[in-house]
Amino acid sequence: LAKTTQPISMDSYEGQEVNITCSHNNIATNDYITWYQQFPSQGPRFIIQGYKTKVTNEVASLFIPADRKSSTLSLPRVSLSDTAVYYCLVASLHGSSNTGKLIFGQGTTLQVKP
Amino acid sequence: GAVVSQHPSWVICKSGTSVKIECRSLDFQATTMFWYRQFPKQSLMLMATSNEGSKATYEQGVEKDKFLINHASLTLSTLTVTSAHPEDSSFYICSARTLTGGTYEQYFGPGTRLTVT
Repeated sequence: LAKTTQPISMDSYEGQEVNITCSHNNIATNDYITWYQQFPSQGPRFIIQGYKTKVTNEVASLFIPADRKSSTLSLPRVSLSDTAVYYCLVASLHGSSNTGKLIFGQGTTLQVKP
Repeated sequence: GAVVSQHPSWVICKSGTSVKIECRSLDFQATTMFWYRQFPKQSLMLMATSNEGSKATYEQGVEKDKFLINHASLTLSTLTVTSAHPEDSSFYICSARTLTGGTYEQYFGPGTRLTVT
């Protein structure tokens, strides 16, 4: 079973900031949080990964509160091309520990409208 | 990010035949690769985990004799669907893991669309 819960779908408009929250109440100490984007008939694309606090890269930010029981993917100023399914996953990914498997949940289908 | 390729991108085969799908990590070495399957309008389902030089570990319900996985090198894993049937028609996606800055990051291939007629 997937360890995460996300909204099934979200709508937004071009130029808006989109925040997708993921719940992972049973996250383990060694678990990292990873977000992927998937377009139809393509493999998932890595967006961002983090362990705690805030992580930012050129495409998104990931906010993780102190208790790590949830996380929020923030997409600044979305465009029509950001319409996709977004997956939040947690797994043990530290290089020094036994690494876990990425088990996909249902994901969040984001629809960006003009 | 790291690049993972798959070949072929799509394949059509007749029922009863076997099909091989290749997965390559192009710019990194992957000790662990994964194979997923995705049916239309559904999420990805993990089929198996493959470590270089050892036997693959299959998820519950996945027939290891039907889905043969070989991970002969640090950059290549293959999935062979043996005696394919129409119900095996699906989107097969491989993934490879690489160590970056002390943590593992996992990258996915573009997928292979298999249609069994």
